[in-house]
Amino acid sequence: EAGVAQSPRYKIIEKRQSVAFWCNPISGHATLYWYQQILGQGPKLLIQFQNNGVVDDSQLPKDRFSAERLKGVDSTLKIQPAKLEDSAVYLCASSLLIGGGPQETQYFGPGTRLLVL
Amino acid sequence: AQSVAQPEDQVNVAEGNPLTVKCTYSVSGNPYLFWYVQYPNRGLQFLLKYITGDNLVKGSYGFEAEFNKSQTSFHLKKPSALVSDSALYFCAVRDPRYGGSQGNLIFGKGTKLSVKP
Repeated sequence: EAGVAQSPRYKIIEKRQSVAFWCNPISGHATLYWYQQILGQGPKLLIQFQNNGVVDDSQLPKDRFSAERLKGVDSTLKIQPAKLEDSAVYLCASSLLIGGGPQETQYFGPGTRLLVL
Repeated sequence: AQSVAQPEDQVNVAEGNPLTVKCTYSVSGNPYLFWYVQYPNRGLQFLLKYITGDNLVKGSYGFEAEFNKSQTSFHLKKPSALVSDSALYFCAVRDPRYGGSQGNLIFGKGTKLSVKP
């Protein structure tokens, strides 16, 4: 079974530029998550999708970050304009929504390492 | 508010010795607890989880964890450490605001495990 795919793996941009990250979840997984992992910290959830609907985006800085999952499969996370403090690893994860069960495990992709100069 | 604490930034162990990586949590209700491992330039890999039932949970690569409700702890253990176990370990708790299979993972800041030959 193929895992969660992410691209690009690395990205270096200047501040105030825009950047986009792509994620393709495990086939059949209904729920998709984007996390931000700053160096020395644990991942922090930015946004959660179930199919193509947003479940939770309470920690997404909406003035500069946006995300979509138009067809309920792959997803794009965008930052526009980027700030120095956006330098981090952006992780995508997916999980198989089993109706009502607590057995959910999130499976993570390799991440995109962003450096904003 | 729910939180997870990993009190040690780094744990050093000699190969062949037992290892323990500590995790304590603070959540309302019954927690769902997870351990993930992160190798350099890789995403997070799922190790094990506690949902309910037996307090001792066995996971991948010979790891296990013991849920202790009175001490609000979920320490990760392995009887005999390998050099290849050297990595960053994250404890996470599932947000109890969401019932069923949905929920946010709240991560600790991570513990770096170093196993020396």
